Parts: sequence; structure tokens; C-alpha cells
Amino acid sequence: SQQGEEDPQALSIQEGENATMNCSYKTSINNLQWYRQNSGRGLVHLILIRSNEREKHSGRLRVTLDTSKKSSSLLITASRAADTASYFCATAKAAGNKLTFGGGTRVLVKP
Amino acid sequence: DVKVTQSSRYLVKRTGEKVFLECVQDMDHENMFWYRQDPGLGLRLIYFSYDVKMKEKGDIPEGYSVSREKKERFSLILESASTNQTSMYLCASSSADGRSGNTIYFGEGSWLTVV
Repeated sequence: SQQGEEDPQALSIQEGENATMNCSYKTSINNLQWYRQNSGRGLVHLILIRSNEREKHSGRLRVTLDTSKKSSSLLITASRAADTASYFCATAKAAGNKLTFGGGTRVLVKP
Repeated sequence: DVKVTQSSRYLVKRTGEKVFLECVQDMDHENMFWYRQDPGLGLRLIYFSYDVKMKEKGDIPEGYSVSREKKERFSLILESASTNQTSMYLCASSSADGRSGNTIYFGEGSWLTVV
């Protein structure tokens, strides 16, 4: 079974709005990461949050982690058309970097 | 910047053919990975390698093998391609000592169609 499950599977918003997506996982983790994938391209790392952290910011991105609920959320503020992409969460059980990915959330930002 | 290069962007192969997908990274990373990505299934790990000549099975190794003869190169081999191996294949690498913060760097992907 997949370790990370994103919700929703797809999201459509207007430019300037915030986009929020969630990720749930099943087992204990060392860290959780979010990646972005433009259509037909490879994945690009966005942000990493460790199991002892609760919130992290990077530019317009805000990630939260609730280890008691085994869930994380990614918030993109003031979205732009260029944010249109698929977003994946990935979990690592240890610092050895073997990541398990969820199915992703497809985000469409309409101009 | 880290660069992970996959040799072929698009391939079309016939059922039963032996297929090689090559991947090279230029950051002296110890870890390398092969994933496949299918609609609705996300990314699934096929094989990974922590060092030269070392390999471990991922979640879906059946029908695949790998080779890591040099640190910078990790090859995925389909011994006898089948139509259910039509997919996008993603190679990735990362450092073992956390100097990249456990970040995995991906190549641009190889689209394989088996007919």
C-alpha cells in the first residue's frame, strides 16, 4: 500500500488564491518531503520537514506536519499560473533517503 | 546544480526486446534510484543502490534488473520488455551523508512504449 496519500487528487483555483493539499501516511517517518512535477517532466524538490518539526516556510510555501495524525499539508499562497503542476509528498522512514511517494495532487491555477 | 541525466527521453521497443535505460549523475552521490510513474499510481520504486555494485529491490522489481558498475551511472534493464512495462521511468540520486538535506534529485524521465 502507498505510504503517502494526497488529498485532493485535483484542485482548480484562480490566480491569487491559496492552494492547500494534504498528505497522510501510515508508518513512522524520519522526514517528509514535497515535490513538484510539471507535465511530462522530472520531479523537483520543494521542501523537507523533519519529524521533530511542526511547520516550515519557504517563500510562498508553508508546510505543516502532525506526527500524531500522521499527516502533512502544503499551502501555496497567492498562487500563480506558473504554479500549475502536480505536487507529491514523499516520506522517508530513516535518513537513508529511500522515499515512498503518494499519488499526487494535480493543481490548476487559472489566470 | 545537481544534474541527473537520462540518456533517452522517448523510446519505442517491441515486446521481448532487451531494453537499457541509462542514468548518470554528476554530484558524486552514493544513492541512486529507479522509479516508474503511472497515472493514478504515483511513483513506485523499482530498484535502488547505495554504492557501486550494490543494489536492493524496491517495491516492484519483477521484470527488471539494474547495474551499478560506476558511482555516477545506474542502468535499468528490462530483460524482455512487455506491454505492461510501458511507462515513464524516472532516475534519481541523493547523497548518503545528508549534505543535500536528504533531497532526492530527479532526471527528466524516459518515456518507454512497448508495442
